Amino acid sequence: RKEVEQDPGPFNVPEGATVAFNCTYSNSASQSFFWYRQDCRKEPKLLMSVYSSGNEDGRFTAQLNRASQYISLLIRDSKLSDSATYLCAVSQGWNNNDMRFGAGTRLTVKP
Amino acid sequence: EAGVTQSPTHLIKTRGQQATLRCSPISGHTSVYWYQQALGLGLQFLLWYDEGEERNRGNFPPRFSGRQFPNYSSELNVNALELEDSALYLCASSWDGPEAFFGQGTRLTVV
Repeated sequence: RKEVEQDPGPFNVPEGATVAFNCTYSNSASQSFFWYRQDCRKEPKLLMSVYSSGNEDGRFTAQLNRASQYISLLIRDSKLSDSATYLCAVSQGWNNNDMRFGAGTRLTVKP
Repeated sequence: EAGVTQSPTHLIKTRGQQATLRCSPISGHTSVYWYQQALGLGLQFLLWYDEGEERNRGNFPPRFSGRQFPNYSSELNVNALELEDSALYLCASSWDGPEAFFGQGTRLTVV
């Protein structure tokens, strides 16, 4: 089983749609969780951290479910500029900061 | 504030040669992480350095090695290059915890 698994995608949605991505992780000791965005042939950029209580940043909402070991990202009112690959990242535990990444989910928002 | 910088941006080597990739972290960041991203694949964890020491290593052969200098910059060395080493090599840095910021990467092509 992979350490971090994501919906394979691709997701093709119209502008204004709501889209959700899920990510599961295998290491129950993981402590920190993130979503990154990666544009084609560019480096990943941190989108948001994911907290146990859930967190929201504008149109983006991230949730963590420790019991089921998954995190999610919800994008509301999709924009063309949201088209990218979304990577979830999971740390390896206390005092173990290196992260494992999912393979990414590609999102294309169409007019 | 300068972000993570990597050099060179592109590198072409022949099979069997050695490659050296460099990374300068964000000022004040003491941790450096190296990842390999082969075409169409997710980020694979290579190495984590913190305060000059190797903290963790991914599932890569010993010909992948590196070091971190007193100024926290880092070098990744790949010996005896193989065609399948062709990939984007990404460096990320963090200060205190796993929230990491990536450089633009070095695209290594082995011919």
